[in-house]
Amino acid sequence: DAGITQSPRHKVTETGTPVTLRCHQTENHRYMYWYRQDPGHGLRLIHYSYGVKDTDKGEVSDGYSVSRSKTEDFLLTLESATSSQTSVYFCAISEPDRASSGANVLTFGAGSRLTVL
Amino acid sequence: KQEVTQIPAALSVPEGENLVLNCSFTDSAIYNLQWFRQDPGKGLTSLLLIQSSQREQTSGRLNASLDKSSGRSTLYIAASQPGDSATYLCAALSNDYKLSFGAGTTVTVRA
Repeated sequence: DAGITQSPRHKVTETGTPVTLRCHQTENHRYMYWYRQDPGHGLRLIHYSYGVKDTDKGEVSDGYSVSRSKTEDFLLTLESATSSQTSVYFCAISEPDRASSGANVLTFGAGSRLTVL
Repeated sequence: KQEVTQIPAALSVPEGENLVLNCSFTDSAIYNLQWFRQDPGKGLTSLLLIQSSQREQTSGRLNASLDKSSGRSTLYIAASQPGDSATYLCAALSNDYKLSFGAGTTVTVRA
């Protein structure tokens, strides 16, 4: 399994401050994703990346930006945090499924809990 | 836009009973469908993946079926145990490589 590390795991910040969440993978998987999870909404895609410097928007990208300058790191930035961005953020990578030849599965990090006061 | 629905939102069963979890999706043009387990405060763990060309996939007590034409997938868990208590999520991977999640079914298995 690809080692996926998210940092920080917990953060409390104030409205209007910038916040950056980091996702680090130990293997050279091409696709990386950022999701947020909120009660009643499930997981929603914020941004994803299909290679170094190649990123695209998901369904809830407003207020977020991403960067991928190295294969192993995918950064999510909230330029000016708002209370509506209080959530649990999950990073995921797409890697080959050992049980299904030719298929890829999403493997998730442990999550970063962000509270914006 | 792909919409994924899981009903019911919560389920409580006695130990030993078989579990049936439902997942429906609106766009049948999917690449695959994946089932996940999430324990409280934790990340998601992949359980099973069914490719669009498959009808079902099995792993131990878990069996997942896929009917693309009707936009449905079902996760069966045989002989449930208290350790199976968790939230189960399904996710459909569209052909544009975006994954759409259901909101999940929270399962409680009573000892």
